[in-house]
Amino acid sequence: QKEVEQDPGPLSVPEGAIVSLNCTYSNSAFQYFMWYRQYSRKGPELLMYTYSSGNKEDGRFTAQVDKSSKYISLFIRDSQPSDSATYLCAMRDLTGTASKLTFGTGTRLQVTL
Amino acid sequence: NAGVTQTPKFQVLKTGQSMTLQCAQDMNHNSMYWYRQDPGMGLRLIYYSASEGTTDKGEVPNGYNVSRLNKREFSLRLESAAPSQTSVYFCASSQRTSGIQETQYFGPGTRLLVL
Repeated sequence: QKEVEQDPGPLSVPEGAIVSLNCTYSNSAFQYFMWYRQYSRKGPELLMYTYSSGNKEDGRFTAQVDKSSKYISLFIRDSQPSDSATYLCAMRDLTGTASKLTFGTGTRLQVTL
Repeated sequence: NAGVTQTPKFQVLKTGQSMTLQCAQDMNHNSMYWYRQDPGMGLRLIYYSASEGTTDKGEVPNGYNVSRLNKREFSLRLESAAPSQTSVYFCASSQRTSGIQETQYFGPGTRLLVL
């Protein structure tokens, strides 16, 4: 079983819809959670990060963490065609001198007009 | 700032050939990483360098070697390429700024095909 599970999709939604992307994890040592966005044939870029349970909002994006359930979510409100990309969750524990991340496989999102 | 740059962008190798993937960052970051990305497998860490002069194995190091040439540059070498090493390779760098906040910045990737 992988440490981080993520539905690969693809997920297709109409413009303006609310999108929910999710990951589950098994390692209770994970304390720092991130969402990366990756456009086709590009490198991933950080979208949001959080290190506590609860919600964190940034514009149309909300990251939610439930450590008791080992479950994280990313919500996208008023989705736009420019949001079409692969979304990767990533997480790490707080040990070590480097930021070793464990990634989910990514969910491909398509927002249609 | 160019951020993280990788060369080459695309490479075709025959089984058994060797090559070096180059990575450089201009953000003065201490830590650098090499990942491979395969369909259905996500990003997997091959090797990382927490600081200049140190390197450590990640999740999938077999068949690879790395060199942290200086603070800016971190290269990945395939000594004898195998078809199983066909993948997209990403380099990343990071620096802990405050507390536990540390963002990894990724390069554009190198697409490698081993025939």
